[in-house]
Amino acid sequence: DAGITQSPRHKVTETGTPVTLRCHQTENHRYMYWYRQDPGHGLRLIHYSYGVKDTDKGEVSDGYSVSRSKTEDFLLTLESATSSQTSVYFCAIRSSRGEQYFGPGTRLTVT
Amino acid sequence: AQRVTQPEKLLSVFKGAPVELKCNYSYSGSPELFWYVQYSRQRLQLLLRHISRESIKGFTADLNKGETSFHLKKPFAQEEDSAMYYCALLTTGGGNKLTFGTGTQLKVEL
Repeated sequence: DAGITQSPRHKVTETGTPVTLRCHQTENHRYMYWYRQDPGHGLRLIHYSYGVKDTDKGEVSDGYSVSRSKTEDFLLTLESATSSQTSVYFCAIRSSRGEQYFGPGTRLTVT
Repeated sequence: AQRVTQPEKLLSVFKGAPVELKCNYSYSGSPELFWYVQYSRQRLQLLLRHISRESIKGFTADLNKGETSFHLKKPFAQEEDSAMYYCALLTTGGGNKLTFGTGTQLKVEL
């Protein structure tokens, strides 16, 4: 599992509330990614990081922000959750061989 | 812009039958392609990478640049192959990002 964990694994929240999802890795990988998975869309990149304090936007970044203050943690924040952000969120790392390995996912429901 | 197309949302085969999951891509650079598998409600697992030319769990995939395809094949389907399969294209430069197809649900029936 490449030492990747995500927390929480499940969350139900109300529209308009802020939500932060955490991705933690234990193997010092430089690149980390946040994706969302939705039926009919596959996985879409939200944001990624290429080092501490270095982040960039992906395909579907509106409504999301990220932070990476240390190598092992990559946080995804929904500033004001909306029902359209109900999804399964996956974190990934890029290995030294150039392959991406994924965390177990966080199932987020916005009511 | 890069794009990955998996034309089948659902593929149903009988146990022991051959399987072919289709993947086509559009990319102006030199493509690097992957197949990922996701068993029910689990994390995505890397199944194949085209440059490694390995066979994992009996699956193989060959990159065909002329047809811009990277189809996943297995000669004899097993019940445990039932899962969601995603094809992904690596775009180099600027983050080494993956672009995923929409996935194909493989159902192996007895």
